[in-house]
Amino acid sequence: AQSVTQPDIHITVSEGASLELRCNYSYGATPYLFWYVQSPGQGLQLLLKYFSGDTLVQGIKGFEAEFKRSQSSFNLRKPSVHWSDAAEYFCAVGARGSNYQLIWGAGTKLIIKP
Amino acid sequence: NAGVMQNPRHLVRRRGQEARLRCSPMKGHSHVYWYRQLPEEGLKFMVYLQKENIIDESGMPKERFSAEFPKEGPSILRIQQVVRGDSAAYFCASSPDGSEQYFGPGTRLTVT
Repeated sequence: AQSVTQPDIHITVSEGASLELRCNYSYGATPYLFWYVQSPGQGLQLLLKYFSGDTLVQGIKGFEAEFKRSQSSFNLRKPSVHWSDAAEYFCAVGARGSNYQLIWGAGTKLIIKP
Repeated sequence: NAGVMQNPRHLVRRRGQEARLRCSPMKGHSHVYWYRQLPEEGLKFMVYLQKENIIDESGMPKERFSAEFPKEGPSILRIQQVVRGDSAAYFCASSPDGSEQYFGPGTRLTVT
C-alpha cells in the first residue's frame, strides 16, 4: 500500500538549533517527493521537491532534504531554525502516471522555544 | 501573477444546506486539484480536473459531492446536504502541466 509516514507529530526545537524532520514512504513506482509548510490558518507552501538527479535538494528558507532510496526516506533539515519556522510541515509523494495524486503524511508540528 | 485564490475563506452551513467552494487557479494553469484536510490529519486527495473534464475523482465521496471546472470561471466544489463530518479545510491546488502544484489558502467549512 502507498503511504507516507511522518513519525513525529510534534517536535520542539530551540531557536538557533538544528532541525531534522523525518519522512518515510512506501510507494510502488519511482517517487517524486515534496515538502510543504503550512503556517497557522494559511495554505501550503512548497519548500522543496525531488524529481530526479542530485539526492540532496535545496529549498527555500534555508531548508534542504536528502532522498535516500535504500531507506525510503526524504528527511527535511535546517541548520539553524528561526522563530518564524514554527509551522506544520507535510511530506508528500507522487509519481508521473498517477496524475500527480499526492499522498500526504499526517504532518509534523514544529514548535520553537525562545 | 496572483496565486491560487479560494473563496470564501470561511463558510458556515447548517446541516442539510449546500456548500459551494470556489477556486481560481493561477493564470495559465489548466490543472486543478481539490484536497480535504480533517483536523490533525494530512491532506486527502479528492478530485483532479482539467478544463471541462474530470480526470480523476477517485477520492470523492460517491454521494453529495461534485466538482466542476468550466471553460470560463473558477472551479467549484459542491457539497449537497452537508453533515457535521464534512467540516474540514478544503484546499485547491493548480498546476500548469500536471507537475508541481500550487496551493490556495483553503476554505474552512464548519457545519453546525
